[in-house]
Amino acid sequence: GENVEQHPSTLSVQEGDSAVIKCTYSDSASNYFPWYKQELGKGPQLIIDIRSNVGEKKDQRIAVTLNKTAKHFSLHITETQPEDSAVYFCAASYPGNTPLVFGKGTRLSVIA
Amino acid sequence: GAGVSQSPSNKVTEKGKDVELRCDPISGHTALYWYRQSLGQGLEFLIYFQGNSAPDKSGLPSDRFSAERTGGSVSTLTIQRTQQEDSAVYLCASSPQTSGPRSYEQYFGPGTRLTVT
Repeated sequence: GENVEQHPSTLSVQEGDSAVIKCTYSDSASNYFPWYKQELGKGPQLIIDIRSNVGEKKDQRIAVTLNKTAKHFSLHITETQPEDSAVYFCAASYPGNTPLVFGKGTRLSVIA
Repeated sequence: GAGVSQSPSNKVTEKGKDVELRCDPISGHTALYWYRQSLGQGLEFLIYFQGNSAPDKSGLPSDRFSAERTGGSVSTLTIQRTQQEDSAVYLCASSPQTSGPRSYEQYFGPGTRLTVT
């Protein structure tokens, strides 16, 4: 089955700097790669996703890149703000309505 | 519109008791998932329902866990004879379609924090 590895487990950046979180997956059949943000005491919130027919997707300050050959994908947050502080999870799934396989999460701290 | 709701938000139970956790998906969403998040860990898939198909139970950790979905909407996750290792946050998610471009998107509820003493 699919296995997703996520790095780093913790990340501290100064406000205004960029943050990058990387994930690798094991099964080339996976074709959907979402990123979730989870704040304390809340459920994960879908912030951006990418499908295997696209190499990059951007939404304001966040972007995701996908390298299918190397089986890795990354989340990029630019101009970080204190409210970006949270735990971020990457995930992968097979085509259609199938369960997500999650990475172990990255705790991002943005220092004002 | 209203998101996924779960109840209760917190549940403390004694070892050996049964518990029921409820999930109300987003109206019109056809797929529903249960995941478990243990302290400091990622999310672990438990079970999912898609339309009228038989549920995929491949993630359930033991036969003490079961779930049902009535009328294609509300779902209940039941844990029988709870053990301390069942303590975790139980998260429910729903997806808007069974096929098509948005079928992949999963929207999560706030979770139920279960503590077994």
